[in-house]
Amino acid sequence: DAGVTQSPTHLIKTRGQQVTLRCSPKSGHDTVSWYQQALGQGPQFIFQYYEEEERQRGNFPDRFSGHQFPNYSSELNVNALLLGDSALYLCASSPHTGPREAFFGQGTRLTVV
Amino acid sequence: AQRVTQPEKLLSVFKGAPVELKCNYSYSGSPELFWYVQYSRQRLQLLLRHISRESIKGFTADLNKGETSFHLKKPFAQEEDSAMYYCALRKAGGTSYGKLTFGQGTILTVHP
Repeated sequence: DAGVTQSPTHLIKTRGQQVTLRCSPKSGHDTVSWYQQALGQGPQFIFQYYEEEERQRGNFPDRFSGHQFPNYSSELNVNALLLGDSALYLCASSPHTGPREAFFGQGTRLTVV
Repeated sequence: AQRVTQPEKLLSVFKGAPVELKCNYSYSGSPELFWYVQYSRQRLQLLLRHISRESIKGFTADLNKGETSFHLKKPFAQEEDSAMYYCALRKAGGTSYGKLTFGQGTILTVHP
């Protein structure tokens, strides 16, 4: 089991562009959460997906949107990129039942120039 | 609102010395508390959770609801404990859709 995998690992985008980040959950997990981690800060919750629906959302603007597919993988989309969106984006997966421990991916480093 | 505070950004100790990483939280409901660790060039991983009441790699943490704290302790620090440590909170019970609220993290350095 490769655990939680994210792609790409690094990305450079220009201000105003759009970006899509991808996440494959750990085998057996059906819930995916996304976090933004700015330099020197702890991860901040963006949103969580379960059964292909957004179940909970943090304090992020509508420019941040997501999707979950029938195979439980997920995408994070960010429109109209701002310089302040530069951060490490982490995906975490967990099972809906049981201990619900969140497993994290290595993250995607997004740089907006 | 949920909030987690880790007052120390940096903590340095010598090998064999006791170490305590502080975590305070504010939450109106019943929380679950966690400590996550990130070793150099590795992903964020769960170290321990308060409901398990277990010791992992010699670390323990006790939830003190009166002081709203969840400090991480180890009696004898090892060089391999050097890492970034995050305290995190989640609403207890309910569904699986519980967001984790993280503190800003503490970088622990254990000197030989």
